[in-house]
Amino acid sequence: EIVLTQSPATLSLSPGDRATLSCRATQNIRTFLAWYQHKPGQAPRLLIYDASKRATGIPARFSGSGSGTDFTLTISGLEAEDFAVYYCQQRGNWPWLTFGGGTKVEIK
Amino acid sequence: VQLLESGGGLVQPGGSTRLSCDSSGFNFISYSMNWFRQAPGKGLEWISYISGTGVTIYYADSVKGRFTISRDNAKGSLFLQMDNVRADDTAVYFCARLSGTYSGGEDYWGQGTLVAVSS
Repeated sequence: EIVLTQSPATLSLSPGDRATLSCRATQNIRTFLAWYQHKPGQAPRLLIYDASKRATGIPARFSGSGSGTDFTLTISGLEAEDFAVYYCQQRGNWPWLTFGGGTKVEIK
Repeated sequence: VQLLESGGGLVQPGGSTRLSCDSSGFNFISYSMNWFRQAPGKGLEWISYISGTGVTIYYADSVKGRFTISRDNAKGSLFLQMDNVRADDTAVYFCARLSGTYSGGEDYWGQGTLVAVSS
């Protein structure tokens, strides 16, 4: 099983700050990685797929990078609606998808 | 595009329940679908996949042999039959649409339905 480790577990930031979230895989997954935003009681939202491609309707302040085993999600200029939990998901071993443990972005 | 899960509730250990996911706003048969779950205080877990025609099906080891995924393309509905449930099956269950390619991620999700396994 491909294990994903996200860091940090919690990120305390202010609106307007830049958020940098990391995701590390135990095996080379090339660029088969997606990022999701999840708020309590809501449906998860696809942000990024293929490591760096923004999903339909996702604002340009969200960007993804990386390949192999190390990946980054960057939110440049946090807005109020961006405070949420973010999960990375590997698709390199599709259909046996796995997620990281999540990074909570909270208001400082 | 909308996905709406139903069928959750309290289930006794060893019992059964059936979840439904009703779709609207897209051509259901053209898309593969997945079930995911999130246990209390935990992250997301993939549990099952079904292709658009229903011919190809996969399960996570944690549910294989106990859960059955199916779909009714005429009604635009996805199902998850859960048998012999255990306490660790307690979770919010989400259905999600696979986007056009397997690497493209799940682009639409329902809001989830809670299944609580307890005596």
